[in-house]
Amino acid sequence: TQLLEQSPQFLSIQEGENLTVYCNSSSVFSSLQWYRQEPGEGPVLLVTVVTGGEVKKLKRLTFQFGDARKDSSLHITAAQPGDTGLYLCAGALDNAGNMLTFGGGTRLMVKP
Amino acid sequence: KAGVTQTPRYLIKTRGQQVTLSCSPISGHRSVSWYQQTPGQGLQFLFEYFSETQRNKGNFPGRFSGRQFSNSRSEMNVSTLELGDSALYLCASSPRGGRGAKETQYFGPGTRLLVL
Repeated sequence: TQLLEQSPQFLSIQEGENLTVYCNSSSVFSSLQWYRQEPGEGPVLLVTVVTGGEVKKLKRLTFQFGDARKDSSLHITAAQPGDTGLYLCAGALDNAGNMLTFGGGTRLMVKP
Repeated sequence: KAGVTQTPRYLIKTRGQQVTLSCSPISGHRSVSWYQQTPGQGLQFLFEYFSETQRNKGNFPGRFSGRQFSNSRSEMNVSTLELGDSALYLCASSPRGGRGAKETQYFGPGTRLLVL
């Protein structure tokens, strides 16, 4: 059982549609990070959320950290083909140094 | 500023061999973490080094080891390779590391290891 459950695992949508990716846990995280990974590359950080209830926006991407700091969501508005990739959430537990616990990932494909 | 570099990018080994992977962090970064990424298990934490000391260790067998040098460069070693060790090995660096990982970690492109 993964500490961080990410859903859905796969998502195939048409350009212009909206989507939401969820990341859930029974553990409390001191911070939660969202990454995007392209084939053959390492994950690239999109955002870090650290405060319960925090909402951050990055152009068409909206990230939310749950009030209890156990869950997070990533919402993409009007998806574009360039958004295609693997989206990963990763939580940091307090007293765990730099260790990140990753969700299983959501593979997004946006078709033109 | 150059990003995190990992060498080699690709590697093919046979069962029973050992392998050493290298990671050069971003200049000035002192924390280096290693992760294993497989289709089945996703990204899993191996270990973290800070100032040449292992600060955290994931749930991997003792065949997986690492070290960090005084210039913050890090190596990881896998001995007695098994087929299941085939994976993308990622290295990430950050300035200090710290409680709750609230500072950004920058990932390298990874080393893809294939064990035959």
